[in-house]
Amino acid sequence: DAKTTQPNSMESNEEEPVHLPCNHSTISGTDYIHWYRQLPSQGPEYVIHGLTSNVNNRMASLAIAEDRKSSTLILHRATLRDAAVYYCILRAYQTGANNLFFGTGTRLTVIP
Amino acid sequence: DTGVSQDPRHKITKRGQNVTFRCDPISEHNRLYWYRQTLGQGPEFLTYFQNEAQLEKSRLLSDRFSAERPKGSFSTLEIQRTEQGDSAMYLCASSLGGDSPLHFGNGTRLTVT
Repeated sequence: DAKTTQPNSMESNEEEPVHLPCNHSTISGTDYIHWYRQLPSQGPEYVIHGLTSNVNNRMASLAIAEDRKSSTLILHRATLRDAAVYYCILRAYQTGANNLFFGTGTRLTVIP
Repeated sequence: DTGVSQDPRHKITKRGQNVTFRCDPISEHNRLYWYRQTLGQGPEFLTYFQNEAQLEKSRLLSDRFSAERPKGSFSTLEIQRTEQGDSAMYLCASSLGGDSPLHFGNGTRLTVT
């Protein structure tokens, strides 16, 4: 399975944008890039996913490098409720693979 | 609330006892997953059902673990002869088919003393 590499932790000031990086140099052409986050004492929560083009939704934006070997999750204005562990995951397109590999993610701290 | 629900939220048991957890997925979701999460780590895949059929099992799922999904609705995860190493958060998730995102419950925290 292709794996991802993320920084262990990041900090952001409240109401400022946050860019969370993810490297996935061994990504295959059929892998979607998924992001989940996990707030304290809760299960993971889906954030966004994409294949090649940049994606936006109400929670975040996903910027995907042209060679697809890296991506960045963008939170446009961090709030205290965004403090969580963010996981970048590769998921095979055709099979909708079920054994998602979460890794250890990036712990985001939001400073008031 | 129409999300994934898990019961109980917490379970403390003595080593050697059997425990069973229940997961109720989102009603129209035909796929159901079990994951395990230990402190400081991301969730690890255990097993997956499509409707009532268990289609995939991780090698983490030893023969002391069994999961069922009768009638393709709720699911149970049983651990027999619990060991201290089984202490973890057990997460259930459900999804529609294809590439639909997984929706997780808030887990059952198991402590084996």
